[in-house]
Amino acid sequence: DVVLTQSPLSLPVTLGQPASISCRSSQSLVYSDGYSYLTWFQERPGQPPRRLIYQASIRDSGVPDRFSGTESGTDFTLKISGVEAEDVGVYYCMQVRHWPWTFGQGTKVEIK
Amino acid sequence: VQLLESGGGLVQPGGSLRLSCGVSGINVMNSDMSWVRQAPGKRLEWVSYIQASGPDTYYADSVKGRFSISRDASKNTLYLQMSSLRAEDTAVYYCVQGHFIIWGQGTQVTVSS
Repeated sequence: DVVLTQSPLSLPVTLGQPASISCRSSQSLVYSDGYSYLTWFQERPGQPPRRLIYQASIRDSGVPDRFSGTESGTDFTLKISGVEAEDVGVYYCMQVRHWPWTFGQGTKVEIK
Repeated sequence: VQLLESGGGLVQPGGSLRLSCGVSGINVMNSDMSWVRQAPGKRLEWVSYIQASGPDTYYADSVKGRFSISRDASKNTLYLQMSSLRAEDTAVYYCVQGHFIIWGQGTQVTVSS
């Protein structure tokens, strides 16, 4: 199975400061169409997860542009350019390139 | 599009349960659908997938042979039939549409004697 390793697992951030979450894959997630099938989710307390980014770097409609996704080989990064209070929650990466689909461990973002 | 899960509850180890996901706003037969679960304090775990308009289904290794995903066109509903339940199947189960854009609110399944 593909293992996704997220770091850090806990990320205290000052309001307005940038934040960065890493997700490293044990295998390539590139499909024949050239896209990497890596998705980022935000999970706020008491709510179901929300998809933020798909195919590594495509932001979903309605997602603030302070969220961005980048990739370099099997290393993926979710960046928040300036953390706001509503960004508190747990962030997960997920790969949908290989069966079975798998999630990372999650990164908890909190305000310092 | 709205998804509404039901059917969760308390069940003894070795027992069975069928989860339902009522779908509104789209045709369940024409949409990729998945089940995802989250045990208390644990990461999200993908459980099962059924392909739009086709017979293909996939399962996580942890549930293969015990769980079965299906859908009913007349009721526009997705199902997850769970059998031989174990304590480690205790989780909130989410119904998810398409490529994980639309999620239900989840239904709690607790496996305990």
